[in-house]
Amino acid sequence: ETGVTQSPTHLIKTRGQQVTLRCSSQSGHNTVSWYQQALGQGPQFIFQYYREEENGRGNFPPRFSGLQFPNYSSELNVNALELDDSALYLCASSPTSESGDTQYFGPGTRLTVL
Amino acid sequence: AQSVAQPEDQVNVAEGNPLTVKCTYSVSGNPYLFWYVQYPNRGLQFLLKYITGDNLVKGSYGFEAEFNKSQTSFHLKKPSALVSDSALYFCALYNTDKLIFGTGTRLQVFP
Repeated sequence: ETGVTQSPTHLIKTRGQQVTLRCSSQSGHNTVSWYQQALGQGPQFIFQYYREEENGRGNFPPRFSGLQFPNYSSELNVNALELDDSALYLCASSPTSESGDTQYFGPGTRLTVL
Repeated sequence: AQSVAQPEDQVNVAEGNPLTVKCTYSVSGNPYLFWYVQYPNRGLQFLLKYITGDNLVKGSYGFEAEFNKSQTSFHLKKPSALVSDSALYFCALYNTDKLIFGTGTRLQVFP
């Protein structure tokens, strides 16, 4: 196991609602990245946080937002949920934000939007 | 544009035989390449990475990967497959702040 934990494991929401997903980084890691993995696809980068600041963002709308806390744990918030937001959401932590640093993934949160 | 391609949706191999899962990449500059494995209802597990140096990279669980710059490939290999290796394998390219993943290859190892 990587030491990266995520909660909850599963979540069911209805369209238009808001959701918060949580991630606890591996000890000593100051960088966290979030990915969305739709069924049958590879993970897609949402954003990265380094020392509590957003350090990069993928092609996701502003209703996807995040936070990183002083203990380097993190949240992913999604507002105005859409059916297409149904996916596995993966959090990954890395020791630094340097290029090529290995990202270690948590088990994911399965979000279903009805 | 920087990208990764996994040309095979599925690879089937008999237990004990060697396996290869293919990956090609497109990048400007030197690539940082990764392989991850995903078991059902699990997150991604890191197998190995290429940053620089030897073209043959050794990783976890007996896996290795061969970096070939002229063919822009980074194929994952194992000399002798196990049934427990059956899973979904992702090749990924590191770009600035993120991993760019391929579409995945399902490996099925038959007893």
